[in-house]
Amino acid sequence: EVKLVESGGAVVQPGESLKLSCVVSGLKFEDFAFHWVRQAPGRGLEWVSLINWGTGDKYYADSVKGRFTISRDDSRGSLFLQLNSLRNEDTALYYCARAGTGNNWGGFDSWGQGTPVNVSS
Amino acid sequence: SDELAQPPSVSVSPGETATITCVADVLANQYTYWYQHKPGQAPIEVIYRDKERPSGIPDRFSGSTSGTKATLTIRAVQAEDEADYYCQTADSSGNFYVFGTGTRVTVL
Repeated sequence: EVKLVESGGAVVQPGESLKLSCVVSGLKFEDFAFHWVRQAPGRGLEWVSLINWGTGDKYYADSVKGRFTISRDDSRGSLFLQLNSLRNEDTALYYCARAGTGNNWGGFDSWGQGTPVNVSS
Repeated sequence: SDELAQPPSVSVSPGETATITCVADVLANQYTYWYQHKPGQAPIEVIYRDKERPSGIPDRFSGSTSGTKATLTIRAVQAEDEADYYCQTADSSGNFYVFGTGTRVTVL
């Protein structure tokens, strides 16, 4: 069974930094791409970032580009999201998700339960 | 980037059919994916590549597309289907993604 478990969410002040982690089990981590997706209170899902397998190429939504950095440690089966220069509007539940493969390429086929980030002064 | 427009809410009685639409120009050229999201739970993919059902998803869930509009249909709706539903697509490179605005399905 594939399992994704996020951690690292906290209450922080605007301008501060935070690093989220996602530990993945039940699969060969290095063979998959992964995403971060967030959901602000009362809002819908918003794609945040993607990191590919192999090349490790990284992509970001315009709303976080230049402030957030996605990374992975294949030896630890872990995905990370470094959040810098946090703003009130970054307050959300942050999910990690596995990118679909094969016929499901383009989708998100497994998700974690999320970790909450609250940016407040 | 394209916004994927969904109706904010759909209400349906048990046993009836719920229809959720997702509209955007990009959908004419890219696949649509659908997710069910219940409060406090992880989202679940219910449809991929417009109309394919992942294993374990009941066959009362179906997807279709026509031009710039994708549709998720839930037949013989059950109380357990009450949730938020999101459509999603990717750009042609597969490197940038967008979710729809979301539809809350209420089972009366």
